[in-house]
Amino acid sequence: ETGVTQTPRHLVMGMTNKKSLKCEQHLGHNAMYWYKQSAKKPLELMFVYSLEERVENNSVPSRFSPECPNSSHLFLHLHTLQPEDSALYLCASSQVEQQVQFFGPGTRLTVL
Amino acid sequence: QKEVEQDPGPLSVPEGAIVSLNCTYSNSAFQYFMWYRQYSRKGPELLMYTYSSGNKEDGRFTAQVDKSSKYISLFIRDSQPSDSATYLCAMRSSGNTGKLIFGQGTTLQVKP
Repeated sequence: ETGVTQTPRHLVMGMTNKKSLKCEQHLGHNAMYWYKQSAKKPLELMFVYSLEERVENNSVPSRFSPECPNSSHLFLHLHTLQPEDSALYLCASSQVEQQVQFFGPGTRLTVL
Repeated sequence: QKEVEQDPGPLSVPEGAIVSLNCTYSNSAFQYFMWYRQYSRKGPELLMYTYSSGNKEDGRFTAQVDKSSKYISLFIRDSQPSDSATYLCAMRSSGNTGKLIFGQGTTLQVKP
């Protein structure tokens, strides 16, 4: 297992629910990322936090709301999602000045 | 045109075969090249990392970058059933903090 953990690993929610995904990194990194991975598509970058500040919001709908309370923790708050939002949501971390990102195991999200 | 093109496969080979996985890209500014391996129901894990052109070898794995052709490869020698996974290429330019561009991933199955 990597130094990046994600909870829950699986989540089923209705379109009217509110839920949150949690990511924690134990690698001493200072940048964290949310990606969406759908079948037959490349990983889509959603949000980037560098030194706890959001530096990228990749045209993500407002029903996804990130939060980075400190350099080790990252959340993705979900509300009024659509069935097409069903996917694997991956968290990653890195050192800002380095190129390599380390991924967590992902949360498999199903929206009914 | 996608920035990074990768044949999704699936690619099926017998155990012991040499496997060649490839990506092409269009952005000549890309300087850093990575290969990630992703097992089913897991997050991507870094396999190889290369800067600029050239070869890099690590055990049974060799990564090649040909910047003149905008083409990168991952070779797996003496392939094993445990190599069965999806292989993702990823790349980024310098000065573009954190934004990795991923290929779609190639699914590899090594049959015993």
